[in-house]
Amino acid sequence: EAGVTQSPTHLIKTRGQQATLRCSPISGHTSVYWYQQALGLGLQFLLWYDEGEERNRGNFPPRFSGRQFPNYSSELNVNALELEDSALYLCASSLGWDLNTEAFFGQGTRLTVV
Amino acid sequence: AQSVSQHNHHVILSEAASLELGCNYSYGGTVNLFWYVQYPGQHLQLLLKYFSGDPLVKGIKGFEAEFIKSKFSFNLRKPSVQWSDTAEYFCAVNKASNYQLIWGAGTKLIIKP
Repeated sequence: EAGVTQSPTHLIKTRGQQATLRCSPISGHTSVYWYQQALGLGLQFLLWYDEGEERNRGNFPPRFSGRQFPNYSSELNVNALELEDSALYLCASSLGWDLNTEAFFGQGTRLTVV
Repeated sequence: AQSVSQHNHHVILSEAASLELGCNYSYGGTVNLFWYVQYPGQHLQLLLKYFSGDPLVKGIKGFEAEFIKSKFSFNLRKPSVQWSDTAEYFCAVNKASNYQLIWGAGTKLIIKP
């Protein structure tokens, strides 16, 4: 069974540009979570999608947005990139949003803003 | 604001040594607690979790963690580490019923053969 897949693996953008990161959850998983892991910091919760709807977002500015498609894959968009957006972005999926099901993580997209 | 503190950013041990990684959180209400591990080149994966019940939780690969509510702690332990335990370990907490986790900064564990 394929795990959570993220693309691209690495992404280099210049300040002010937009970045689009993609996540394919495990087949059958309806919940997708996005996290940012900046260097030296723990993962920070960004966004939660379930059944195509944004259910909650973390303490990030509106230029961080995303969506979930009918097939439950998800995109994270970061507009007007800033240098401090450089980080590893991790996607996780779970069968539902209930904690009784385990969340599985992808390997992440390393975004570098120059 | 809620926070999770992992006391050591780097730990170096010899094989067969005992391990304890500290995790403290700041939220005072009912919480769910997790330890995740990331082996070199691999995805984050769940080691163990605590929702309720017995505060001593056993996870995979011989790891266990003890929830001490009065100390707001959820320390990870293993009696005898192996070289293959070299990894980064993350403690995470949440107070909701979903995976909006609050994470510690991680502890890099290096086991010397």
